[in-house]
Amino acid sequence: QKEVEQDPGPLSVPEGAIVSLNCTYSNSAFQYFMWYRQYSRKGPELLMYTYSSGNKEDGRFTAQVDKSSKYISLFIRDSQPSDSATYLCASQRQAGTALIFGKGTTLSVSS
Amino acid sequence: DTEVTQTPKHLVMGMTNKKSLKCEQHMGHRAMYWYKQKAKKPPELMFVYSYEKLSINESVPSRFSPECPNSSLLNLHLHALQPEDSALYLCASSQGASSGNTIYFGEGSWLTVV
Repeated sequence: QKEVEQDPGPLSVPEGAIVSLNCTYSNSAFQYFMWYRQYSRKGPELLMYTYSSGNKEDGRFTAQVDKSSKYISLFIRDSQPSDSATYLCASQRQAGTALIFGKGTTLSVSS
Repeated sequence: DTEVTQTPKHLVMGMTNKKSLKCEQHMGHRAMYWYKQKAKKPPELMFVYSYEKLSINESVPSRFSPECPNSSLLNLHLHALQPEDSALYLCASSQGASSGNTIYFGEGSWLTVV
């Protein structure tokens, strides 16, 4: 079993839809949780960062971490065609250790 | 400024060549990482440097040799690579502290081995 599981999709939604992206993880020692957006042929761009459990909101993006169920979520409100990309969840046990990625979910938002 | 700069952006090398990839950050971060990413796959960790010391080597073949000359620079020396080593090589950095551990990636170096 991979340490971080993520459905690769693809996921297609119309513009303006609410998008829900999810991951699960198996290592209870993970403390840091991140979401990255990666456009084709570009490096991953950090979208959201959460330490331990809880919610975090930044504009149209909301990240949730539930450590009791080992569940990580990213919600995108009012999705735009420019949100079309691959979204990667990632988890880390402690600072300076390996950041473990899920497979990534490919999202397409049509206008 | 949350910038990690990688050079070159593109590199084509023969299997007998020796080349290097370079990475630089000026955010005062003390942990730096090399990742390898193949098409349609997530990044895979290769090496971690923490406070300029190699702390993680994910069983990477010796034809890849990392170097951290100072806290701002990270190099990846390449020698006798194989065509299957062609990939996007990503550098990343983080504070390396217990709190505030956001990890930032560069745009990557596209490597083609011929």
